Amino acid sequence: DGGITQSPKYLFRKEGQNVTLSCEQNLNHDAMYWYRQDPGQGLRLIYYSQIVNDFQKGDIAEGYSVSREKKESFPLTVTSAQKNPTAFYLCASREGGKLFFGSGTQLSVL
Amino acid sequence: GENVEQHPSTLSVQEGDSAVIKCTYSDSASNYFPWYKQELGKGPQLIIDIRSNVGEKKDQRIAVTLNKTAKHFSLHITETQPEDSAVYFCARIAGSSYKLIFGSGTRLLVRP
Repeated sequence: DGGITQSPKYLFRKEGQNVTLSCEQNLNHDAMYWYRQDPGQGLRLIYYSQIVNDFQKGDIAEGYSVSREKKESFPLTVTSAQKNPTAFYLCASREGGKLFFGSGTQLSVL
Repeated sequence: GENVEQHPSTLSVQEGDSAVIKCTYSDSASNYFPWYKQELGKGPQLIIDIRSNVGEKKDQRIAVTLNKTAKHFSLHITETQPEDSAVYFCARIAGSSYKLIFGSGTRLLVRP
């Protein structure tokens, strides 16, 4: 099955803890993205990567970090510097102008 | 500015009626306008898109219209069914930019 796989589906973070959200794709797409979605709101861009070993900050990058060591993988770390991390996180890859999304990770703070 | 304004934020229709969602933008360089459907607890899925050199595009019960002069585009769903109930997002992309700018979403409820 081709697509974007995000894990875990639910994640809980304690105060002062860093957590990492996984995103894997087997679509052979070069570009990958992380979005944050808050209840009743649109999608806001956190980080994006156009190609392996390269990534850029999006509109709300503070408190987050990423890596892109492999084409298939684009993990997102939510650091302790992110004071309001509770949200639904979506990973996507892009072909042309079209985004293909994973099923998301719901992150909550304990 | 960059934003895409989307209206209404919620829409309730009777099964079989039509639903229309409208988005406006201000960046004249915008040239690609996709629509995404998001079901509860899932990621958004592309349902239809239109490029700036086309005024209308249809795919079965859904259609998108684009008015470049007025800088707005709309999603039309005819003969709505309960499974059409979801959140719909419009978006735009400008030129060769990587960046897709999303509207704030419309929650559509189709009443049986």
